[in-house]
Amino acid sequence: GQNIDQPTEMTATEGAIVQINCTYQTSGFNGLFWYQQHAGEAPTFLSYNVLDGLEEKGRFSSFLSRSKGYSYLLLKELQMKDSASYLCAVMDSNYQLIWGAGTKLIIKP
Amino acid sequence: GAVVSQHPSRVICKSGTSVKIECRSLDFQATTMFWYRQFPKQSLMLMATSNEGSKATYEQGVEKDKFLINHASLTLSTLTVTSAHPEDSSFYICSARDSRTGYNEQFFGPGTRLTVL
Repeated sequence: GQNIDQPTEMTATEGAIVQINCTYQTSGFNGLFWYQQHAGEAPTFLSYNVLDGLEEKGRFSSFLSRSKGYSYLLLKELQMKDSASYLCAVMDSNYQLIWGAGTKLIIKP
Repeated sequence: GAVVSQHPSRVICKSGTSVKIECRSLDFQATTMFWYRQFPKQSLMLMATSNEGSKATYEQGVEKDKFLINHASLTLSTLTVTSAHPEDSSFYICSARDSRTGYNEQFFGPGTRLTVL
């Protein structure tokens, strides 16, 4: 079966760095997405990785290792507004998105 | 950037009534639209994939006669929840795929909060 695993909840301090991990097992691979979702709102796109390596975009970076079925989202200089759920999703061979359950990130002052 | 709108954003209805939710891609043509449902503190659950001009493909366990999907144009898909019951109360989110991008990114609408009394 297809499976996406990520931690349920993480806590970090404002100004610090946090890494959210995601491991996956899917039928084929056409890229991995990270989305941010604030409570009561729809997800918003953060990043896309299809090749191995690190993609940096401002305070957010995303890493992919296809051989290990592993990705992480790195958030630097955390701000209170970064408190949200972070969803990892993999596009399978049918171009369907397989979603993880999301990681709720709590930022403390 | 690609924008997807949803209407209404919030709806409260009585049990047994039908509710229609519209999903529109505002500045791009969406050959494929997706309908998701999300219960509190849970991840997105794909309900169906809607392709313009053809019947929607429903995920296992989703009743196609209860959740009617119509994708009549490249910018509009509708989801109708027929004979709604309290257990249908949820957050319904649509997304649209812009075929111009290289990696089939999905752009999400703002969601519709449905409460069935």
